[in-house]
This record gives sequence, structure tokens and C-alpha cells, in this order.
Amino acid sequence: QKEVEQNSGPLSVPEGAIASLNCTYSDRGSQSFFWYRQYSGKSPELIMSIYSNGDKEDGRFTAQLNKASQYVSLLIRDSQPSDSATYLCAARMNRDDKIIFGKGTRLHILP
Amino acid sequence: DAGVTQSPTHLIKTRGQQVTLRCSPISGHKSVSWYQQVLGQGPQFIFQYYEKEERGRGNFPDRFSARQFPNYSSELNVNALLLGDSALYLCASSLGGRPYEQYFGPGTRLTVT
Repeated sequence: QKEVEQNSGPLSVPEGAIASLNCTYSDRGSQSFFWYRQYSGKSPELIMSIYSNGDKEDGRFTAQLNKASQYVSLLIRDSQPSDSATYLCAARMNRDDKIIFGKGTRLHILP
Repeated sequence: DAGVTQSPTHLIKTRGQQVTLRCSPISGHKSVSWYQQVLGQGPQFIFQYYEKEERGRGNFPDRFSARQFPNYSSELNVNALLLGDSALYLCASSLGGRPYEQYFGPGTRLTVT
């Protein structure tokens, strides 16, 4: 089992709709989770961090964490063409403090 | 405030050569981590340094080494380059020893021919 798993996509969402990106992790003791956005040819940009169960909202972005299910998600409301990118989920492993990234999900917002 | 800076931006090397990549963290950040990202994959952890000490190492061969300087900047060295070392090398900085929120630099694109 991979440590952080994401569906590679592409995920196509109409402009203005909600995009839902999902991620699962294997280390049950992990406490810190991150979502990064990466445009083609660019480096990852931190958009959300979440440490507690529940939802965390920041503008059009909502991160959701369910530690019992070892599941993290990112919702993007009112999707814009500029949201088209690869979204990377990352988790800090409890056993050794390393941050492990998933392969990323490619999101395509359809105008 | 300036973000994380990395140099050079691009680099082309031949198999067997050695390369040094450089990174300056965000002002006030004391931790630097290095990642390798190949096309279609997420970044893979190589090293983390905090206060000039190695705090973590990923599953990379001993050809990879790094260090952190008193001003918290860092270098990543790769010896005996292989074709498979071609990748985007990313540096990320964070405030403290524990790698909580990390901010990435623009990366160095290394091509080994």
C-alpha cells in the first residue's frame, strides 16, 4: 500500500462547479496534512494545511480530514479555469516526521 | 519578503559528473528540505536539515549528500550522475525543526545526458 494515494485523474469539472479531490494515507498516526497546487512546469504552492478532524475553509477552498477513515479531501468551490493544475496531497508521517507526497491529481476546469 | 530561491534554474550534465544545487530559505526559516520530482510523480523526500544538522534522509543512494550553512542556506550534491537523476530538484523551507508548512522554491531542472 502506498503511503499517500491519490487518483491521478484527469478530473474534469465545469467552470463554476465544485471540484472534489481525494487522498488516503497509510500511517494511522499521521497528524499533519497539506494540499499543494502545481501548475505545469512550476513548483508546488501550498494552498491548505489541516491538522484536526473536520473542515477548514479558506476562501473557495475547503480541506476535510477524517482520521478514522485516514482520508483527506479538498473542495474547490466556484471552480475557475485558473484552478486547472495538479493538486498534490501530502502527509507528515508520525513514525519519522517525513512529509510524503501523493502522485497528484490533474484537475481540468472546463470553460 | 523574498521567497525560497534556488540556483541554477536549469543544468545539463553528463553521466558520471557531479553537480551542486543551491537553496536560500525564506528569511527567518531555519529548516530546509530537498525533494526530487520526476514527471508524473509527486516530490520525493531526499533530505531535511535544521540548524545545520541532518534531521531526515529519504531512500536515496549515498551519491546524494547535502549540508546547511550558518545562514541556513543549503547545498545538495549529487556525485556520479546517472541518467535517472534527471528531474526537478526542489528545495522547501519551513520555520522550525518539524517540517510543518513548507514553502517551495522554483526548483532546479537537472538533465543528465
